[in-house]
Amino acid sequence: TQLLEQSPQFLSIQEGENLTVYCNSSSVFSSLQWYRQEPGEGPVLLVTVVTGGEVKKLKRLTFQFGDARKDSSLHITAAQPGDTGLYLCADGSGGSNYKLTFGKGTLLTVNP
Amino acid sequence: SQTIHQWPATLVQPVGSPLSLECTVEGTSNPNLYWYRQAAGRGLQLLFYSVGIGQISSEVPQNLSASRPQDRQFILSSKKLLLSDSGFYLCAWSGVRYEQYFGPGTRLTVT
Repeated sequence: TQLLEQSPQFLSIQEGENLTVYCNSSSVFSSLQWYRQEPGEGPVLLVTVVTGGEVKKLKRLTFQFGDARKDSSLHITAAQPGDTGLYLCADGSGGSNYKLTFGKGTLLTVNP
Repeated sequence: SQTIHQWPATLVQPVGSPLSLECTVEGTSNPNLYWYRQAAGRGLQLLFYSVGIGQISSEVPQNLSASRPQDRQFILSSKKLLLSDSGFYLCAWSGVRYEQYFGPGTRLTVT
C-alpha cells in the first residue's frame, strides 16, 4: 500500500513570506496531483505532474516533481491570506477506476 | 461545463437514525464516482467508488453503503448511524484520467 507523507503538517506564516511544502511517497508516483481545500469546501485541483523533473508554475505557485518520481514540492512566493487552506497531494493507483491515494495534507495559515 | 452537487450541506442526526446523502453530476457521461470522508480537516479516506450504474466497490468495511441508481447519481446511506460516522463527506467524479473534481461536501454530526 502506497503511503504519502506531507510535511510540515502545519505552517503559519506572515503575508509576503515564501514557503515550501513537501510530499514524499514510499513508491514511485503514477500521476501526482496537488489540491487546495479551503475550510468547509471540497478540494480543488491545482496541478497534475507526471514526468520526473517536471516543473509547473501557476501564478505564485511553483510545483516540482523529483527526478525519481518519489517526491514533490510546492513553493509559494509572497504568500497572501487567500492562500490559506489545506494543501493535499494525491497519487493515482493505476487501473481504470482512477482511484487516488491522498496524503494527510499541510494546513497553511497566512496571517495578514 | 461539469458541475457536481451534494446535499444536504449540513446534517445533525441522532445515533441509530438512518442516513441518505446524495450526489449528482451534470455535464458529463459515465463518470467514475467516489465518496470520501474527511475527519478533523485532514486527509481524505476513500469509502466507495463506482465505475458504472449499479457497480459499487467498498474500500473500508463499516456500517455505510453506497448505491448508483443512475449514471450521474451517487448515494451514501446508513441504516443506523454511529457517533464515529460524524465527519465531512465529499463526493467526487473523474473522467478517464486521475484528476478528480469534488462537490461542496456535507457536514454530518451524529449526536
